[in-house]
Amino acid sequence: AQKVTQAQTEISVVEKEDVTLDCVYETRDTTYYLFWYKQPPSGELVFLIRRNSFDEQNEISGRYSWNFQKSTSSFNFTITASQVVDSAVYFCALSGKYSSASKIIFGSGTRLSIRP
Amino acid sequence: DAEITQSPRHKITETGRQVTLACHQTWNHNNMFWYRQDLGHGLRLIHYSYGVHDTNKGEVSDGYSVSRSNTEDLPLTLESAASSQTSVYFCASSVVGGDTGELFFGEGSRLTVL
Repeated sequence: AQKVTQAQTEISVVEKEDVTLDCVYETRDTTYYLFWYKQPPSGELVFLIRRNSFDEQNEISGRYSWNFQKSTSSFNFTITASQVVDSAVYFCALSGKYSSASKIIFGSGTRLSIRP
Repeated sequence: DAEITQSPRHKITETGRQVTLACHQTWNHNNMFWYRQDLGHGLRLIHYSYGVHDTNKGEVSDGYSVSRSNTEDLPLTLESAASSQTSVYFCASSVVGGDTGELFFGEGSRLTVL
């Protein structure tokens, strides 16, 4: 069965601090995809990144970076020099391409609060 | 611009009533999904469809049904609403195969069952 665990329910940091959101996944698929989504206070869900299981290269996009490690089944998300606008709930998600349950499964989310 | 819309955005109903939440997308995506969002549970998949006349149960499908008569719409029906179904419901669609591609979400429908 597939599972996504986001152990950090809530994180609060002061603006300009770096913060890492953890994501641990379980899957039996050899081909799978990992995602991060952002849900700001306005409620909409915003796609941030998709990574497939064959690409373990870390990715950086501005202040955002993602660290994918198959050895530890983790796909962590780091925000560098956090800003108040980064305050949101962040979801990690997993899908398998060829499993019988071929759909995107979400973790329970991490609520990130950035204090001015 | 293509989009995905949900209606109603807010609804209050009573226990036992039938409720239908509408979802309409103009991207011509084959794949459509319904999730519910509850505190502490994240987003949980209710039903999904990979094309016209195709529907599948997700992890929390009891008490819900969907039908897919065309590409654009996937209405979610609660046959007999229960208080446990009070939640925020999100519809989503994708093109590459819902398990690999980006999900495009609607704005959500907040349902309260009294």
